[in-house]
Amino acid sequence: DQQVKQNSPSLSVQEGRISILNCDYTNSMFDYFLWYKKYPAEGPTFLISISSIKDKNEDGRFTVFLNKSAKHLSLHIVPSQPGDSAVYFCAASEDTDKLIFGTGTRLQVFP
Amino acid sequence: DAGVIQSPRHEVTEMGQEVTLRCKLISGHNSLFWYRQTMMRGLELLIYFNNNVPIDDSGMPEDRFSAKMPNASFSTLKIQPSEPRDSAVYFCASSFPGTGNNEQFFGPGTRLTVL
Repeated sequence: DQQVKQNSPSLSVQEGRISILNCDYTNSMFDYFLWYKKYPAEGPTFLISISSIKDKNEDGRFTVFLNKSAKHLSLHIVPSQPGDSAVYFCAASEDTDKLIFGTGTRLQVFP
Repeated sequence: DAGVIQSPRHEVTEMGQEVTLRCKLISGHNSLFWYRQTMMRGLELLIYFNNNVPIDDSGMPEDRFSAKMPNASFSTLKIQPSEPRDSAVYFCASSFPGTGNNEQFFGPGTRLTVL
């Protein structure tokens, strides 16, 4: 059973526009949520995280929103750039070192 | 720091052969994670160690898979015998206490193809 779900396998956005990547989870005990970015032939790299006690965290063009009542988080990228084209993984942890990852969303930013 | 190092980067083998994947942690990190990436299941955690001790191996698919951490900086993941369905990209990641957000640092992965 997938505790972390990314229901959109792919997303295509025009350069300069906003990209919104979504993630749903089932375990209300998760206390941290992370987004990772992965380019082909490379390992995932950490992008941004949010604690369960917050509802928003911002880092430059990247903002993560957490809606605990809906068990939903989203990653906003504004403005989107071609270099943002990658696979984005949502992950969650429950008071341990262990991360549970979603299946990923492939973002393509076109000119 | 060189980051997490994995070898080999690519492995092609025949069904039934033994495969050993290797991982070197970032210096100072004390947790080590092995993942498998597939299209259907995304990034699956296979096993993780803390201070060289296996903590959770519930993701190891079968007895054909085994992992060891002989010292604080090195780990191996072994598949014996390998099967075509084991074909995937295998990542290891490491972390250290006090990150605050459980951030893990990933290696570049080993792409395994079992014919």
